[in-house]
Amino acid sequence: SQKIEQNSEALNIQEGKTATLTCNYTNYSPAYLQWYRQDPGRGPVFLLLIRENEKEKRKERLKVTFDTTLKQSLFHITASQPADSATYLCALGAGGYQKVTFGTGTKLQVIP
Amino acid sequence: DGGITQSPKYLFRKEGQNVTLSCEQNLNHDAMYWYRQDPGQGLRLIYYSQIVNDFQKGDIAEGYSVSREKKESFPLTVTSAQKNPTAFYLCASSISGQGANQPQHFGDGTRLSIL
Repeated sequence: SQKIEQNSEALNIQEGKTATLTCNYTNYSPAYLQWYRQDPGRGPVFLLLIRENEKEKRKERLKVTFDTTLKQSLFHITASQPADSATYLCALGAGGYQKVTFGTGTKLQVIP
Repeated sequence: DGGITQSPKYLFRKEGQNVTLSCEQNLNHDAMYWYRQDPGQGLRLIYYSQIVNDFQKGDIAEGYSVSREKKESFPLTVTSAQKNPTAFYLCASSISGQGANQPQHFGDGTRLSIL
């Protein structure tokens, strides 16, 4: 069955450093991969979408990579700030009228 | 501002009672979705609707029902048949139902608890 794995353990990093979050998947050939941010008690907020034929996508301090050979996406936040502390979810979909499958999320804590 | 409004934010249900969660969007999106989020689990799809007057079951539809009579509204009813309804419920929408090539916009959820 399809499986998406995100590190369930919280990631703690020092302010100003680059945070790197991982999203691995198995038994899946996604055409698209999305990243969302979720704050406690709130709904997820869309951050970035990357297609299978794109290796990398950037938006301000955010960078996403998509390696279909390794079946992995990396999500980077450069010059991290305490305000970046949240849970980050990856989501995959095969395109067309296919549903999106979400990972469990990784909690990021940026320490001042 | 456009967005998705879910109400109420907190809801309590007695045993054997049906409850309805509201979801309204003013984004003019065709597709709408209901998810359930439990601690340590990813969002699980309950129902989705790609267009008005049409909806499909997701992965965990048992014990739930929906309607889509208006483009902007997609209420979810949690019936007494749902034996473990305590969870955080999230409603989302996208421009169309074309899967993961479009971002989903989420409301701020309804937390349902059993009395």
